[in-house]
Formats: sequence, structure tokens, C-alpha cells
Amino acid sequence: DIQMTQSPSSLSASVGDRVSITCRTSQSINRLLNWYQQKPGKAPRLLIYGASNLHSGVPSRFSGSGSGTDFTLTIDSLQPEDFSTYYCQQSYGSPWTFGQGTKVEI
Amino acid sequence: EVQLVDSGGALVQPGGSLRLSCAASGFTFSSSAMSWVRQTAGKGLEWVSSISGSGGRTYYADSVKGRFTISRDNSNNTLFLHMNTLNADDSAVYYCAKIFGSIVSVEFDSWGQGTPVTVSS
Repeated sequence: DIQMTQSPSSLSASVGDRVSITCRTSQSINRLLNWYQQKPGKAPRLLIYGASNLHSGVPSRFSGSGSGTDFTLTIDSLQPEDFSTYYCQQSYGSPWTFGQGTKVEI
Repeated sequence: EVQLVDSGGALVQPGGSLRLSCAASGFTFSSSAMSWVRQTAGKGLEWVSSISGSGGRTYYADSVKGRFTISRDNSNNTLFLHMNTLNADDSAVYYCAKIFGSIVSVEFDSWGQGTPVTVSS
């Protein structure tokens, strides 16, 4: 199975900050990496697919980059509604595995 | 608008069985591959199973293979997960999720609200 390691596990930030979250995979997955946002008590929401493609309806302050084994989710100018937990997920091969999550707190 | 409504979660005894359902609307259900994903506080998000749009291809995580069966009723736009021989490790919130694109390179672009399953005596 492909192992996913996110860092940091949590971070504190303020409205307006630029935030970056890293996801590292145990083997190269080309650009087959997706990012999700999850708020407490809610289902995850797809933000970015294919490492850098913004899913429909996702604000442009979210961006993704990377390839191979190292990927980054960046949020420019953090908004109050962005305080959530973020997960990466690989779509290179089954079983489809997720990172452990990064909680973005105020 | 895509809508997925999960149901069927319950408290069940170890060794018991349960059937989860997911009612879909807002998209062409029979053309979309679907999945079940579960979440626990301890293990996080875990893919459980996927099924092709026609229902002809199914895939399972090793942890549930032989115990869980995914199926679908395209005439009623409903996805199912039949769970047998349940144990404590199966306790989780179960989400149905629509697959964006191919079943062989899976992204989950819409999710149900989740239904909780608790396995305990």
C-alpha cells in the first residue's frame, strides 16, 4: 500500500495568512494526488485533483503543486471558513489511501 | 445538484450483519462509479470498496474482503454495502462517495453525510 504522510499534523494561523501543507508519499505517484477539506461533523469536500487542478466551485485562493512523492496544498489569504482539517489522497493505485490530516486552527 | 443520502448505520453486536444504503440524485447514477469510505478518529479516512457504473466490477480493501459486498440498483439510483461478520474494527462513520473519473484512478468528488456504525456487545 502507498503510505501518505502529511505535515504538520496541526498548525495555528490567522485570517489573511498564507498557509502550506505538505503530503509525502512512500513511492512516486506522478501527479495523482488529491486534497480534501473537512469541517467537524461534515463529509470531506474535494478541493484539488491531479495535484494542481481546482475542483469546481473551489475558491482560487486554494492551489496545489508537486509531483512524484512530494506535494503541497497552499491557501493564500486564509479566510474564517478555511479553518478545517485537510487530507491528501493518492489516486495512483488501489487501495486508495489518505493522509492522516492537518488541522488548521485559529 | 449532486445529492447522496447515506442511511442504515446502527449499533450491532460483534459477528452481526448490517446493510448500508446511499440514495443518489442530481447526476446520471448508472454512469458513475461509486465507493464507500469510512472514518474513525483513530485510523482516519479509509477506502472500503468501489463499484463500476454497471456494477460489473467491484473492488475491496483487504480489511473487508470476503465480509463486505458492494452492490447497486441503477433503476432506483441506490448504492448498498452489505456488511457481515462485523467486528469492533469496523466501527466508523461510513460515507458513500461518487468517483470523479475512472474507477482505476479514483478521486471522490461528492460525499454523503455519513452514517455511523458501532459494533459492540
